[in-house]
Amino acid sequence: AQSVTQPDIHITVSEGASLELRCNYSYGATPYLFWYVQSPGQGLQLLLKYFSGDTLVQGIKGFEAEFKRSQSSFNLRKPSVHWSDAAEYFCAVGVNTGNQFYFGTGTSLTVIP
Amino acid sequence: KAGVTQTPRYLIKTRGQQVTLSCSPISGHRSVSWYQQTPGQGLQFLFEYFSETQRNKGNFPGRFSGRQFSNSRSEMNVSTLELGDSALYLCASSLDPGEKEQFFGPGTRLTVL
Repeated sequence: AQSVTQPDIHITVSEGASLELRCNYSYGATPYLFWYVQSPGQGLQLLLKYFSGDTLVQGIKGFEAEFKRSQSSFNLRKPSVHWSDAAEYFCAVGVNTGNQFYFGTGTSLTVIP
Repeated sequence: KAGVTQTPRYLIKTRGQQVTLSCSPISGHRSVSWYQQTPGQGLQFLFEYFSETQRNKGNFPGRFSGRQFSNSRSEMNVSTLELGDSALYLCASSLDPGEKEQFFGPGTRLTVL
């Protein structure tokens, strides 16, 4: 069965520090992978996606993610975090049939000045 | 281009009542999916509609139902509300089921008393 694991429930980083949010997935075929961000009281905003090709993908707001098939991972990174990046981050896997997404439980990011 | 809109944004109901939530996809998008977000269960897929037909359904009881209209707008209905139905209900749209990239609305916050 498909599943997504985000092992870090909460992460705190200092503004200007680098960030890496972990995501591992379980899916039998080639996955469609996504990272979304959610601010309090808001919906989900797409940060970036991986469908195929180059395993390092660039997204909005300076985020990037690397797909590693051997590790079944799709970790999100940002070289320098801004206070406005504080939010909840969700990793998701899309399956081949339709648009059913499987989401991780999310990582809450706190940015301290 | 306007994003996904959901109405109402907030709703308070009592146990046993029923509720209808509405979602208008991005113009030109024909696929609509619904998700339930709760602190305990995270984001869970409810169902997906395309061309007025339900294509996929998540593991939810029959009290949860939906439909899609010819203009791609979608509604979901929850009957005989339970306290556990309190959640943020998110709607997502995409061009079609094969597109894979979904855009989420702000959600409807349902509180069941």
